[in-house]
Amino acid sequence: QLQLQASGSGLVKPSQTLSLTCAVSNGSISSNFESWGWIRQPPGKGLEWIGYIYHSGTTYYNPSLKSRLTISVDGSKNQFSLKLNSVTAADTAVYYCARGSLTDFFDLWGQGTLVTVSS
Amino acid sequence: QSVLTQPPSVSGAPGQRVTISCTGSRSNIGAAFDVHWYQHLPGTAPKLLIYVNNNRPSGVPDRFSGSKSATSASLAITGLQPEDEGDYYCQSYDSSLSAVIFGGGTKLTVL
Repeated sequence: QLQLQASGSGLVKPSQTLSLTCAVSNGSISSNFESWGWIRQPPGKGLEWIGYIYHSGTTYYNPSLKSRLTISVDGSKNQFSLKLNSVTAADTAVYYCARGSLTDFFDLWGQGTLVTVSS
Repeated sequence: QSVLTQPPSVSGAPGQRVTISCTGSRSNIGAAFDVHWYQHLPGTAPKLLIYVNNNRPSGVPDRFSGSKSATSASLAITGLQPEDEGDYYCQSYDSSLSAVIFGGGTKLTVL
């Protein structure tokens, strides 16, 4: 069974860059029919789609985050990454990585990693 | 405020049936974009429950079912069990926002 595991900086200072990586195991990230996405959940709130990427490098971003967001994929390491710059306290959340389908649902999720933005 | 509207909470006794609504608009559910449902239990990652309106992934019990009509969708859970207690989210796509969207989530309490 394919598994995803997110990791990265758990504490980020305001105005700095949040960086996370999602390692994919027991399967390949190189499929043309799957996307690799990020979703977050601020404390006490619901899920928010951040964006996703295909192995080809094609990306789709939430317009509300697009100006600060970069999602990339590394097929050689079987992982994909998220960078969100100029963070504020509003970016504090549990960040999930997930495998997406061509019809936009996410069928496999990683456990999630808490990122806190604080000085 | 979410583009997809869900009731904040629903409850039911073990064995009962509950439904969770997801109300959208002409730019998302009403534009024929598919609806998907997730179960988010405390301390775990969200789990896909229903995809493309009414399909269950392998391993999801047939107690869970989805439906869609016009600008709304519903998740029905029959034979409620204590382990069903958690949060449930609907998800679709919005053409006006050009974004994948989630409902605000519904907390299910099994009494």
